[in-house]
Amino acid sequence: DQQVKQNSPSLSVQEGRISILNCDYTNSMFDYFLWYKKYPAEGPTFLISISSIKDKNEDGRFTVFLNKSAKHLSLHIVPSQPGDSAVYFCAASAGVGFGNEKLTFGTGTRLTIIP
Amino acid sequence: KAGVTQTPRYLIKTRGQQVTLSCSPISGHRSVSWYQQTPGQGLQFLFEYFSETQRNKGNFPGRFSGRQFSNSRSEMNVSTLELGDSALYLCASSLDQRDTQYFGPGTRLTVL
Repeated sequence: DQQVKQNSPSLSVQEGRISILNCDYTNSMFDYFLWYKKYPAEGPTFLISISSIKDKNEDGRFTVFLNKSAKHLSLHIVPSQPGDSAVYFCAASAGVGFGNEKLTFGTGTRLTIIP
Repeated sequence: KAGVTQTPRYLIKTRGQQVTLSCSPISGHRSVSWYQQTPGQGLQFLFEYFSETQRNKGNFPGRFSGRQFSNSRSEMNVSTLELGDSALYLCASSLDQRDTQYFGPGTRLTVL
């Protein structure tokens, strides 16, 4: 039962353009969402998060959008740079006290930035 | 501040053996979580420890176990290894639940 889904296993984007990575979830109890970036042979690195009380959070070139009614979130990277080439994981957690504080991850999207 | 460290980085075992992996969290972090990463499944939550107590557990068989010491260091153990246990095992630490989790580089386990 994949509660967090990243339906695009890979994405290629021209350098300087916008990269949009998508994530869908099914568990309506999820109220906190994160994006992690992973290079080969390294652990995931935290990028940006968003709480369900917001619909947008921005940090430099990275913006996360949350559409609660559609149970969908997306990560926008503008402008895309070669160093952004990595695997991106979407993760979600439910409220404290529901026993689901653990992170549930999607299967990842491999982003390749083409110079 | 030093990041999360995991030892060993690589490990090769044979079926039926057991293995112990170690994780040292960021100084001051009391929560340690373990994840298994495989190509088709992404990151799957194994368990989470806080103050030497297991607080959360994922859907893995009893062959997977862990513990946390008083200095917050954690170990996970897998007994009676199976071929399907070959994976990257990641440890993450955080100050507490719902705080950002910081991951170590992982231990790549290969079961032959």
